[in-house]
Amino acid sequence: RKEVEQDPGPFNVPEGATVAFNCTYSNSASQSFFWYRQDCRKEPKLLMSVYSSGNEDGRFTAQLNRASQYISLLIRDSKLSDSATYLCVVNLYGGSQGNLIFGKGTKLSVKP
Amino acid sequence: DAGVTQSPTHLIKTRGQQVTLRCSPKSGHDTVSWYQQALGQGPQFIFQYYEEEERQRGNFPDRFSGHQFPNYSSELNVNALLLGDSALYLCASSPTTSGGTTSSTDTQYFGPGTRLTVL
Repeated sequence: RKEVEQDPGPFNVPEGATVAFNCTYSNSASQSFFWYRQDCRKEPKLLMSVYSSGNEDGRFTAQLNRASQYISLLIRDSKLSDSATYLCVVNLYGGSQGNLIFGKGTKLSVKP
Repeated sequence: DAGVTQSPTHLIKTRGQQVTLRCSPKSGHDTVSWYQQALGQGPQFIFQYYEEEERQRGNFPDRFSGHQFPNYSSELNVNALLLGDSALYLCASSPTTSGGTTSSTDTQYFGPGTRLTVL
């Protein structure tokens, strides 16, 4: 079983749509969780950290369910500029220590 | 505030050659990690350097080695290149608070990467 698994995608949605990405992780000892965004041929960039209480940043909402080892990302009112690959990331350690374990990513394409 | 920088941007090598990639961390960051990203895959952890020592290593052969300098910059060396080493090599930097710990909200910030092609 892969350490971090994501929806394979691609997701092709119209502008204004709501889209949800799901992710599961295998190691229950994981301490920190993130969503990164990666544009084509660019580096991954931190989109948001994910907390058990859930967190929201504008149109983006992330949720963590430790019992189910499940992470989600919801994007509301999709924009053309949201087109990218979204990477689910887990760390066995808190914060910046240790290695980041990435899913393969889910590609999102937002169409006019 | 300069972010993470890497050089070179692109590199073409032939099988059996050796390569050195370089990374300068974001200002205020003292920990450097290296990742390999093959096409269509997520980045895979190679190793992490802190206080000029390798603190953690992923599942990569000894052909992959690194170094961290007193100014926190880092190098990744790959010997005896194979075709399968063709990938985007990413450097990430992160801060460490006093006492060697980090805040739970901290994470790693990536440079633009070096795209290595092995022919």
